[in-house]
Amino acid sequence: NAGVTQTPKFRILKIGQSMTLQCTQDMNHNYMYWYRQDPGMGLKLIYYSVGAGITDKGEVPNGYNVSRSTTEDFPLRLELAAPSQTSVYFCASSFEGRNIQYFGAGTRLSVL
Amino acid sequence: AQSVSQHNHHVILSEAASLELGCNYSYGGTVNLFWYVQYPGQHLQLLLKYFSGDPLVKGIKGFEAEFIKSKFSFNLRKPSVQWSDTAEYFCAVNGNTDKLIFGTGTRLQVFP
Repeated sequence: NAGVTQTPKFRILKIGQSMTLQCTQDMNHNYMYWYRQDPGMGLKLIYYSVGAGITDKGEVPNGYNVSRSTTEDFPLRLELAAPSQTSVYFCASSFEGRNIQYFGAGTRLSVL
Repeated sequence: AQSVSQHNHHVILSEAASLELGCNYSYGGTVNLFWYVQYPGQHLQLLLKYFSGDPLVKGIKGFEAEFIKSKFSFNLRKPSVQWSDTAEYFCAVNGNTDKLIFGTGTRLQVFP
């Protein structure tokens, strides 16, 4: 079982560059989430989706965009990378909203 | 707004010592409660959860947690820690939304 797969695992960006973090799940989960994890801050929700075609902002959405065209995929886009976006990004999915979330291995992003 | 507090930011123990990590949340309604663990270099994994029923829940690797509604608490316990328990532990809460609110985490170091 692959579960939640994130690519890439590591990336270094220059300020102003753009990139897409990929997230795919094979559990047929309706809900998908993007978090960022910063030292001592826990996980902060960036965006989430309750199903294909439906997305909503989380706690820290500024500087990010998402789309959900299929149940399986939930990419996160950084349009103009800034040093403040240096973080570890985790994608997660769950069958329904108030249930167990399953996490991917994370993407470590540095913006220099 | 819902919030989660983890009082212990960094805990250092010797093997065989007992562990208790505090977690308090602020929400007066029905809650789903979780403890996730993140081993070094790995993604978050579910340790245990409480949805309803017996307030004392048992998880993997000998961990347990007790939900005390009157104290808005969900503390994590283990009678005897092992070196392999070295990890970061996150308490999380679902209140009346689909969003999971995480605490800032507790870093546990266990020395042989």
